[in-house]
Amino acid sequence: AQSVTQLDSQVPVFEEAPVELRCNYSSSVSVYLFWYVQYPNQGLQLLLKYLSGSTLVKGINGFEAEFNKSQTSFHLRKPSVHISDTAEYFCAVSENNAGNMLTFGGGTRLMVKP
Amino acid sequence: EAGVVQSPRYKIIEKKQPVAFWCNPISGHNTLYWYLQNLGQGPELLIRYENEEAVDDSQLPKDRFSAERLKGVDSTLKIQPAELGDSAVYLCASTATPQPVGNEQFFGPGTRLTVL
Repeated sequence: AQSVTQLDSQVPVFEEAPVELRCNYSSSVSVYLFWYVQYPNQGLQLLLKYLSGSTLVKGINGFEAEFNKSQTSFHLRKPSVHISDTAEYFCAVSENNAGNMLTFGGGTRLMVKP
Repeated sequence: EAGVVQSPRYKIIEKKQPVAFWCNPISGHNTLYWYLQNLGQGPELLIRYENEEAVDDSQLPKDRFSAERLKGVDSTLKIQPAELGDSAVYLCASTATPQPVGNEQFFGPGTRLTVL
């Protein structure tokens, strides 16, 4: 069975600074990887996903993530954050033989300070 | 296009009372999911429907939880009786088809349940 670990429960950062949110996964088969964002009192919204091909994936709102198979990681990055990026971010994995079943990490709260 | 609709958004009940949550997926989406999200944690799958059939309910506590999707469109999740530990956000999501894999799941805003 797959699992996802988000190493940081909270990440404080100043506005316009770069940020990296870390995600590691474990699985015995090939996987698909996702990052979702959750704003307060809202549902989850897809930021980006990796299915195959280029390991650098670009998503919405200026975010990007890089799939590293040897390190089983899928870290999320943004070169310059805004106050509006303050939210909870979830990494998720889906095994390629499990349809669209998602296993989520525990989440990372990104707190952007002025 | 309307997104996934859930109601109510908030529910406060006393323990041992029953409660029900309703979800209407995006039109045409035949796969529907119910997730449980505890405070400060990621969502955990409770049950997945393909049309009206529950194809994965292994994580659903069947002694007190039940779900239905009678016509393969909207769905209801019920808890009877509720316990203090059921306080959480219940999320509904839908996707167009189970294949191809990697299809995006679209989430509703959730129902925040507080059991007193």
